[in-house]
Amino acid sequence: GQQLNQSPQSMFIQEGEDVSMNCTSSSIFNTWLWYKQDPGEGPVLLIALYKAGELTSNGRLTAQFGITRKDSFLNISASIPSDVGIYFCAGQETDGGSQGNLIFGKGTKLSVKP
Amino acid sequence: NAGVMQNPRHLVRRRGQEARLRCSPMKGHSHVYWYRQLPEEGLKFMVYLQKENIIDESGMPKERFSAEFPKEGPSILRIQQVVRGDSAAYFCASSPGTGLYGYTFGSGTRLTVV
Repeated sequence: GQQLNQSPQSMFIQEGEDVSMNCTSSSIFNTWLWYKQDPGEGPVLLIALYKAGELTSNGRLTAQFGITRKDSFLNISASIPSDVGIYFCAGQETDGGSQGNLIFGKGTKLSVKP
Repeated sequence: NAGVMQNPRHLVRRRGQEARLRCSPMKGHSHVYWYRQLPEEGLKFMVYLQKENIIDESGMPKERFSAEFPKEGPSILRIQQVVRGDSAAYFCASSPGTGLYGYTFGSGTRLTVV
């Protein structure tokens, strides 16, 4: 089935650093979503993007819906320890399939630099 | 206002037994979605249900897996004759209508098959 290519797979951060991750798809998406998942929990929505070119912020998080509708990025500015976790991009294809089923990337694991 | 409730949180089954996973959607939500997450992977869509109807089961394995969302009570994901490969985290999401508005995940059920 359709998959999203998410990179990087993992990264180490020091407090205060900016972080960037992205997702690409071979097909066009009409919605991009960014989630954070903590250990033992379900994904929690961070940012939702509905229009090509849209740039949306949520506190220190900024995400963009690529113009081609095949990619999206998420930036975290001035990272703090509680940013540690796994970040997933998810999207919904334009042909719909059925409304509501999301396609997820494999995640970017954020860890604190030792 | 309780979120999406899944139980049990952890479930251990021997090979060949049946696993029943329950999901109570948020109040006012009539749409339920089930996803499976293998270790180090993103979530994979399994099935989308509305009350008493299966809307899309394109992600559901053809054998041993079934889902229902009765008029009263929680949605149930049933896995018969479990095998080791069924070990995973199973997440349920609910929404008030079609589309992604209000789409919320539960904390998941971790199934371990021994």
